[in-house]
Amino acid sequence: EVQLVESGGDLIQPGGSLRLSCAASGFTYNNYAMTWVRQAPGKGLEWVSSIGSAGVSKYYADFVKGQFTISRDNSKNTAYLQMNSLTAEDTAIYYCARGAMSTTMDVWGKGTTVTVSA
Amino acid sequence: EIVLTQSPATLSLSPGERATLSCRASQSVSSYLAWYQQRPGQAPRLLIYDASKRATGIPGRFSGSGSGTDFALTINSLEPEDFAVYYCHQRNSWPLTFGGGTKVEIK
Repeated sequence: EVQLVESGGDLIQPGGSLRLSCAASGFTYNNYAMTWVRQAPGKGLEWVSSIGSAGVSKYYADFVKGQFTISRDNSKNTAYLQMNSLTAEDTAIYYCARGAMSTTMDVWGKGTTVTVSA
Repeated sequence: EIVLTQSPATLSLSPGERATLSCRASQSVSSYLAWYQQRPGQAPRLLIYDASKRATGIPGRFSGSGSGTDFALTINSLEPEDFAVYYCHQRNSWPLTFGGGTKVEIK
């Protein structure tokens, strides 16, 4: 079964850091780009970042450049999102998805919740 | 940045009726347009990709059309499980973007 499982979400104070993980299974992981999408409470979907299959090409939404870093470890079938200097505006469910520009995001994880609050 | 505008924001219909959702792009996205369904408390689910291709396991009552800047998602004969929020998404250019969503609610 093709599956993505996110982890690492937490309640964190403003200014703090978190690293999210996305563990993949059931498909040839290193054939696919991976993407993070977030959804603030009661809001729509917002693209955050994507990484190419080899981990070389990386793309970021303007609002997270310099604050978030995407990476992947193809030996562990896992993608990561390092988030620094978190603010209340980063509070959201963070979803991991298979695909990006070359292929549609067709498989999504259930998401991990990040809450930034004092 | 390509802005996707979905209309209407809310669609109130009864089971068995047809739903037609619109997505308009601020510039051409060719056919690189997808539709997702999101039920409350769940992750988005891919319904349609490349404007008109149904994803694996998606019932035939869902269909997509359009190219360039104007797209539509049609749901023939709404089932109870179809009442949800629907998002369009373009992968033609960076940054990837989503529409604001259309909520299909029970009338």
